[in-house]
Amino acid sequence: NAGVTQTPKFQVLKTGQSMTLQCAQDMNHEYMSWYRQDPGMGLRLIHYSVGAGITDQGEVPNGYNVSRSTTEDFPLRLLSAAPSQTSVYFCASSYTMTGKRAFFGQGTRLTVV
Amino acid sequence: AQTVTQSQPEMSVQEAETVTLSCTYDTSENNYYLFWYKQPPSRQMILVIRQEAYKQQNATENRFSVNFQKAAKSFSLKISDSQLGDTAMYFCAFKGSSNTGKLIFGQGTTLQVKP
Repeated sequence: NAGVTQTPKFQVLKTGQSMTLQCAQDMNHEYMSWYRQDPGMGLRLIHYSVGAGITDQGEVPNGYNVSRSTTEDFPLRLLSAAPSQTSVYFCASSYTMTGKRAFFGQGTRLTVV
Repeated sequence: AQTVTQSQPEMSVQEAETVTLSCTYDTSENNYYLFWYKQPPSRQMILVIRQEAYKQQNATENRFSVNFQKAAKSFSLKISDSQLGDTAMYFCAFKGSSNTGKLIFGQGTTLQVKP
């Protein structure tokens, strides 16, 4: 099994550009989430989904959009990139919201110039 | 609000020796999970060990063990017989019964194992 697959691994954007970070899992997990990792702050939850068609905001949702049209995919959209969104982004999934274990993708390093 | 604190930004240890990474957390919940994740230079987040709060016995996974002190809200990670491959950033994380399912992470501790 591939687990959680994120693409791309690296991306450079200009301020104001938009882009989509892709996340796919092949474990039939209900719960999927996006985190951002910033130096000295650990990982913080951006958005999450408890199933197809259901999404909600996490701790730092501003400037990001998500959708969940299938169980497998959970893309994260940056609507108008800002330098403050320079970060490493992780997608994670677990069987359910209360699942004991989260599986993480390999992360995307995004730089906004 | 729940918080997780790792007070050691950087640590180093000689190969084959033992090192302990500290983590404290704050919560009013009684049932929750605690985790240690390893993040090597590859950036991959790897689950090292998990502790369920209702279990009194400390979790162990090969060379990794925890000292879980529920009353003190402390959750330290002990790495025995340190290996060069243990060099990484280590994150302590908390998962409670929130309605977001989120993991709350500490700031991380960078561990360097020296030959």
